[in-house]
Amino acid sequence: EPEVTQTPSHQVTQMGQEVILRCVPISNHLYFYWYRQILGQKVEFLVSFYNNEISEKSEIFDDQFSVERPDGSNFTLKIRSTKLEDSAMYFCASSSWDYGYTFGSGTRLTVV
Amino acid sequence: RKEVEQDPGPFNVPEGATVAFNCTYSNSASQSFFWYRQDCRKEPKLLMSVYSSGNEDGRFTAQLNRASQYISLLIRDSKLSDSATYLCVVNSGAGSYQLTFGKGTKLSVIP
Repeated sequence: EPEVTQTPSHQVTQMGQEVILRCVPISNHLYFYWYRQILGQKVEFLVSFYNNEISEKSEIFDDQFSVERPDGSNFTLKIRSTKLEDSAMYFCASSSWDYGYTFGSGTRLTVV
Repeated sequence: RKEVEQDPGPFNVPEGATVAFNCTYSNSASQSFFWYRQDCRKEPKLLMSVYSSGNEDGRFTAQLNRASQYISLLIRDSKLSDSATYLCVVNSGAGSYQLTFGKGTKLSVIP
């Protein structure tokens, strides 16, 4: 079964540092997403990406965040100047046109 | 604010029991509805889409009431492997691929 692959599985960073979370979506999917889940909280939408541009973003996705598809396979989330409250599980997902989302196994980001 | 509300549980049920989860959503523009399951510290996994006419997948039955903005999931003959958190999920409106998640209902199936 096709998978969405995320790396690293766990990232520890110091407050104020920049992190890049990486994802390889399913190859024939056209829509890509980042969600996050703070421990004990609900899964929250950050951003969706289609046709090499952002199609939707939430209030959480401010200037601190950016996404990129640097080549034909990778999809990255960059968080600049991390804050303690950015600590969360970050899930990448991809889908085809029929909302069939597949989530990656997540990157646990810990900001210290 | 677009919300999805669920009873957090936990629901502790014996093997073989039937259990029902309910969910309400606030965004009347939502057009797509799903149940996901999430195991502890894992990613959400699609359990089933929910259609207006109701739909069944083995032991799982989902219902949708658009007028009441209410979604349900029924699990029959519970198995130990059904223990997980069940997430009610809706999209954010026509043409939107953004999903809004409920906080989830935790189910523990006890031997």
